[in-house]
Amino acid sequence: QKEVEQDPGPLSVPEGAIVSLNCTYSNSAFQYFMWYRQYSRKGPELLMYTYSSGNKEDGRFTAQVDKSSKYISLFIRDSQPSDSATYLCAMNKNTGFQKLVFGTGTRLLVSP
Amino acid sequence: DAGVTQSPTHLIKTRGQQVTLRCSPKSGHDTVSWYQQALGQGPQFIFQYYEEEERQRGNFPDRFSGHQFPNYSSELNVNALLLGDSALYLCASSHWGQGQGYTFGSGTRLTVV
Repeated sequence: QKEVEQDPGPLSVPEGAIVSLNCTYSNSAFQYFMWYRQYSRKGPELLMYTYSSGNKEDGRFTAQVDKSSKYISLFIRDSQPSDSATYLCAMNKNTGFQKLVFGTGTRLLVSP
Repeated sequence: DAGVTQSPTHLIKTRGQQVTLRCSPKSGHDTVSWYQQALGQGPQFIFQYYEEEERQRGNFPDRFSGHQFPNYSSELNVNALLLGDSALYLCASSHWGQGQGYTFGSGTRLTVV
């Protein structure tokens, strides 16, 4: 069993839709949770970073962490064609231990 | 302010050969980590360098080795290449102790034939 599970998609939505992306994990030691966006032929770009449980909002993006369920989510409001990319969740145990464990990524396609 | 720079962009090698990939970290960053991303998969941690020493290592064989130079740049070496080593190799830089502040490069696409 992988430490981090993520549906690979693709997830196809029309422009303006609300998108929900999710990951589950098995290691209760994870404390830091991140979402990266990766465009084709590019490296991952950090979108959101959350510590422990709770919500964090940044513009059209909201990250949620539920440590009791070992479940994290990224919501994208008013999705745009430019949001079409692969979204990777990542997590690690503490600030000093920098190894990130990634999900497989979910490919998102937003059609005009 | 330049971000993380990796070279070369693409590389084709034959099984059994050796390859060296290079990374220049973002200005001000002192820690370099390398990740392997196979097609359709998330990045897998290879190792991390800080102060010219390997600090952490993932589940990769010792055919994978690295180096960090005094200017914080880094190299990843892979010996005795296998077909399964074909992947996108990503370099990420950060400040030591700030694992949530990674900046990734665009990667080197390695194809082993």
